[in-house]
Amino acid sequence: DSGVTQTPKHLITATGQRVTLRCSPRSGDLSVYWYQQSLDQGLQFLIQYYNGEERAKGNILERFSAQQFPDLHSELNLSSLELGDSALYFCASSVGKDREHEQYFGPGTRLTVT
Amino acid sequence: AQSVTQLGSHVSVSEGALVLLRCNYSSSVPPYLFWYVQYPNQGLQLLLKYTTGATLVKGINGFEAEFKKSETSFHLTKPSAHMSDAAEYFCAVSPVNRDDKIIFGKGTRLHILP
Repeated sequence: DSGVTQTPKHLITATGQRVTLRCSPRSGDLSVYWYQQSLDQGLQFLIQYYNGEERAKGNILERFSAQQFPDLHSELNLSSLELGDSALYFCASSVGKDREHEQYFGPGTRLTVT
Repeated sequence: AQSVTQLGSHVSVSEGALVLLRCNYSSSVPPYLFWYVQYPNQGLQLLLKYTTGATLVKGINGFEAEFKKSETSFHLTKPSAHMSDAAEYFCAVSPVNRDDKIIFGKGTRLHILP
């Protein structure tokens, strides 16, 4: 158990819909990272927040957005969903803002768009 | 632009044999380097990382990796494979520049033969 929690575990929705994925970091961790894992794209870094502020952006689509709240939990919002958005979405947390700090991964949310 | 290449999407070794998973990277600046393991239906777990200092890095579960700057490689090894090592392994590179992405390789699935 990494200490990172993600909800829900599974999500099935239709094209065009909007969903919100939630992540609670390990106690004491200030950074939250979001990743997308799919068979064709592999593991892709989406975005990083540190202490409530966006720190780095990866391959995040404009239809996707994220935020980190004062209690440090984070949400990833996916809108206008397409079939290709079906994937595993991981959240990870680390204590610091820089990449040399170990990232602890949550169990993931499996999103299926039908 | 940074990239990571993992040679071999599937590697099979016999129990007790040497494990060697290859990772080559390209980066314009010295990067941080990581190996992660993913067991079925779980998130990623950090095996080891190289940031600075000693180029031979020891990780969990008996794994180690050596950073070879001249070869731009960070191969993962373990002297004697166990059945419990069967999993998917990801090499990742993250440039020191905070604005750059974390790039993951496509992964190598390790199979352990009895």
